[in-house]
Order: sequence, then structure tokens, then C-alpha cells
Amino acid sequence: AQRVTQPEKLLSVFKGAPVELKCNYSYSGSPELFWYVQYSRQRLQLLLRHISRESIKGFTADLNKGETSFHLKKPFAQEEDSAMYYCALSVGDSWGKLQFGAGTQVVVTP
Amino acid sequence: ETGVTQSPTHLIKTRGQQVTLRCSSQSGHNTVSWYQQALGQGPQFIFQYYREEENGRGNFPPRFSGLQFPNYSSELNVNALELDDSALYLCASSSTGTNEKLFFGSGTQLSVL
Repeated sequence: AQRVTQPEKLLSVFKGAPVELKCNYSYSGSPELFWYVQYSRQRLQLLLRHISRESIKGFTADLNKGETSFHLKKPFAQEEDSAMYYCALSVGDSWGKLQFGAGTQVVVTP
Repeated sequence: ETGVTQSPTHLIKTRGQQVTLRCSSQSGHNTVSWYQQALGQGPQFIFQYYREEENGRGNFPPRFSGLQFPNYSSELNVNALELDDSALYLCASSSTGTNEKLFFGSGTQLSVL
């Protein structure tokens, strides 16, 4: 069965420090992976997806099929990065069918 | 361009009752997906509707059912409510295609007493 694991519930970092959010997955098929973010009092929104290989707001994520991981990284955290981050795996023929991890709360302190 | 809207925002029901939650999809989107988010957990996929037909279902019992209307809005119905159904219910709309992206609503907070 497919599963997404985010081992850290809370990540507290100082402004300007690097931040890395871990995500591991299990899936028998070819994975499509995403990071979603929810800022305070805002809706859940897509941050980035592995297929795009893009950097959004300074964040990058590389799919490592050997380690079944999709960790999210940013070299220099900003206060506005404080949010809830969810790793998600597409489990069907549509990107609307997602298996989410439990989420990691990131707090960036000045 | 209007976003995804859900109603009501909050709802309190008692065990055994039935509830209907509503979702208006973003303009131009033909697919609606529903998720249940329990406290401290990530969203869990309930089912998806595409062109008024169910197009995939997660691990939820049949008392969770849905509808999609010709204007692509959608309803989630839950019968015989249980205490564990207390959660935030999220609706997300998207447009099928190679660049599919989900747009989420703010959710309906359901409390079952």
C-alpha cells in the first residue's frame, strides 16, 4: 500500500539557516510527488511538484527513487516560510487523488 | 476568476444524523476531489468526481457518498454520522490535463457530538 511519511512534526529554525523537511514514500508504481503548504489562515496550496524540477520561493525538492525520498530544502530560511508543509503522492491516474503525509510545522524565528 | 468555495464553514451534528457539505469549483474546473482532515493529520482522499461521475475512491465506507452537478459543483453526503467523522472536510477542484493543479477550498469543520 502507498504511504507518505514525514518524520518531523515540528521543525524550528533560525532565520537565515538552512531548512530541510524530510519526506519518504512507499509506492509500487511510478511516483508523482508534490509539496503543499498552508500558511496561517490561508488555504492549502501547491508549493512544487517533482516533475516540474522548479524552485519556488527558494525551495527545491529532488526525487530520490533509490531512497524513496522527496525532501524539501531551502538554503536560507525566511520568517515568511513559517507554515505547515505536507508531502503528497499521487496515487491514481489523476493528480487530484493524493496521499498526504501528516505534515511538518515549520517555525522560523528571527 | 472565483476560487473554490465551501459551505457551511462550521457544522455541529449528533451521532446517527446525516450531513451534506457543498463545494463550488473554481471557474473552468471540471473535477472535484474531497478530502477528510482529522486533527493533527494530513488530508485523506475520500473520492473524486469528474463530469458528474465518481472517478476514484479512497478507503471510506459507502455511507460517504457524493454528487457532481452539470455546473461542476459538488456535494459530499455522510450518513449515520459517527464521532470519528469529526474533521475538516476539504474540497479541491482541478482541470484535467497534463498540467493539473489542485485548488483547495477553506473547508467545512464538522463536529459530531
